[in-house]
Amino acid sequence: GAVVSQHPSWVICKSGTSVKIECRSLDFQATTMFWYRQFPKQSLMLMATSNEGSKATYEQGVEKDKFLINHASLTLSTLTVTSAHPEDSSFYICSAPFRAEPGDTQYFGPGTRLTVL
Amino acid sequence: GENVEQHPSTLSVQEGDSAVIKCTYSDSASNYFPWYKQELGKGPQLIIDIRSNVGEKKDQRIAVTLNKTAKHFSLHITETQPEDSAVYFCAARRGLGTYKYIFGTGTRLKVLA
Repeated sequence: GAVVSQHPSWVICKSGTSVKIECRSLDFQATTMFWYRQFPKQSLMLMATSNEGSKATYEQGVEKDKFLINHASLTLSTLTVTSAHPEDSSFYICSAPFRAEPGDTQYFGPGTRLTVL
Repeated sequence: GENVEQHPSTLSVQEGDSAVIKCTYSDSASNYFPWYKQELGKGPQLIIDIRSNVGEKKDQRIAVTLNKTAKHFSLHITETQPEDSAVYFCAARRGLGTYKYIFGTGTRLKVLA
């Protein structure tokens, strides 16, 4: 299967600061990537769809000014949590569809655990 | 709206026994159904998938069945091992033109040695 990486794997920051999370497709190109948020013992919640070369599409209820997404290349999407607060603490996971396979199966990154103090 | 129901939420089995997890979807346009395994602190890993033109698919100890009429699909794990312990998520994707998945709520599987 395809490989998706994320960096950093974990980050601790102070309230009010901004944090950037990177998502890379390592062995394939991805014009679309997805960002999910997962709370402990819960399912994955889609936050937004990252589109290479254009604006991200946000799910209902997700603040676009709070969660900035940039998809500057075919292998990299970034999620920036701006002015982070403790309630933003969560596990953030990205995924990318691997188009070489029928049906464009999504492969997930290892996740980034954000803790805001 | 579209949703995917998953049952049970927790499942404990003895090592060597079988485990079955069931999902029901609401959108009849869904045509692709992957299953993911998520270990603690890690991202979901694809373990098997099935498309709407297939009724069953098997990969070693893992199998998935799909009943389009009833709009439900199931994951079957045979000869369970302790390393199968994890959270399993089912998902449904609508037809071509969207990559969005709708995930089930997850099943925490514990395989007791």
